[in-house]
Amino acid sequence: AQSVTQLGSHVSVSEGALVLLRCNYSSSVPPYLFWYVQYPNQGLQLLLKYTSAATLVKGINGFEAEFKKSETSFHLTKPSAHMSDAAEYFCAVSDQSGGYQKVTFGTGTKLQVIP
Amino acid sequence: KAGVTQTPRYLIKTRGQQVTLSCSPISGHRSVSWYQQTPGQGLQFLFEYFSETQRNKGNFPGRFSGRQFSNSRSEMNVSTLELGDSALYLCASSLKGGSTWETQYFGPGTRLLVL
Repeated sequence: AQSVTQLGSHVSVSEGALVLLRCNYSSSVPPYLFWYVQYPNQGLQLLLKYTSAATLVKGINGFEAEFKKSETSFHLTKPSAHMSDAAEYFCAVSDQSGGYQKVTFGTGTKLQVIP
Repeated sequence: KAGVTQTPRYLIKTRGQQVTLSCSPISGHRSVSWYQQTPGQGLQFLFEYFSETQRNKGNFPGRFSGRQFSNSRSEMNVSTLELGDSALYLCASSLKGGSTWETQYFGPGTRLLVL
């Protein structure tokens, strides 16, 4: 089964600084990878997804992620953090289970943005 | 197009009671998945339904059950509630849930507190 590992359960950055949230996957086949964001008391919102069309994937709210096969990574970045980016971020991998899609989530990274 | 809706948003129950949560997927989506989210265990997959049939199931006891109706709306039921069942229950819908490239869209969740 495929899995993802998110390094760092909490990340703090200053407003305006680079945001880097790490995600590594384990997969024997080309994976489909996702980043979701969850604001307090809300569900998960899709930020972006990798489907092998391009290694650099641009998402909403200025976020992007780069798929690096050699490093089995799919890190999420944003050049300049905004206060509104404070949330929890989840990396996920899509797999097949019993012939159907199964999505496995990482443990999440809480992003704190310091004014 | 309306998003995924979940009702109720908040619930307080006592140990031993049972509870039913409801999820209405995005119009046209036929696959509905349920997840349990807790601070300690993160996001855990409960089960997935398509065309009124359960196709995938996570590692949860039989107290957790679900069903799907012909209009793709889904319900999940937890019987004999335990304190550890306190969690945010998230529902996600996708078109068919058969392909690994599909995106799951999440509802706002139902927060269950068991006293």
